[in-house]
Amino acid sequence: DIQMTQSPSSLSASVGDRVTITCQASQDISNYLNWYQQKPGKAPKLLIYDASNLETGVPSRFSGSGSGTDFTVTISSLQPEDIATYYCQQYDNLPLTFGGGTKVEIK
Amino acid sequence: EVQLVESGGDLVQPGRSLSLSCAASGFTFDDYAMHWVRQAPGKGLEWVSGISWNSGSIGYADSVKGRFTISRDNAKNSLYLQMSSLRAEDTAFYYCAKGSSGSILRSRFNWGQGTLVTVSS
Repeated sequence: DIQMTQSPSSLSASVGDRVTITCQASQDISNYLNWYQQKPGKAPKLLIYDASNLETGVPSRFSGSGSGTDFTVTISSLQPEDIATYYCQQYDNLPLTFGGGTKVEIK
Repeated sequence: EVQLVESGGDLVQPGRSLSLSCAASGFTFDDYAMHWVRQAPGKGLEWVSGISWNSGSIGYADSVKGRFTISRDNAKNSLYLQMSSLRAEDTAFYYCAKGSSGSILRSRFNWGQGTLVTVSS
């Protein structure tokens, strides 16, 4: 199975800060990586697919990059509505696997 | 607009069975693979199972293989998960998710709102 390792597991930042979350795959997954945002009590929502493509309707302050084994999602200017847990997910191989999540809070 | 409505979640005793359903609308159901993903309370996401558009390809997580069965009825725009020999560790919110193609492998997910399965005596 492909292991997905996210870091950090949690972070606290101020409104307007630039925030970066990383995800590392245990083997090369090309660009077969998605990012999801999950707000408390809600279902996850797709943010970024194919490592760097922004889902329709997602604010442009979100961006994704990477290929192979190392990936990042960046929030260029953190907003209060971005408080959530973020998950990466690989779809190069079965079983489909997720990272452990990064909880983002406002300082 | 894609709508996925799960049902069937309940409190069930260990060792018993339970069946979940997902009613889909807002897209051409038989064009897409479908999946079940679960989340234990306060924990992360775990892919459970996926089924291709024509049921020709099916996959399971090792944790449920041999106990859970995924199926779909394209005429009814519905996805199912039959769960047997349930364990306490199967307690979770179960999400129905639409894939982005007919294949279970190349999938990004659109999610339903989830249904809660609690396994406890």
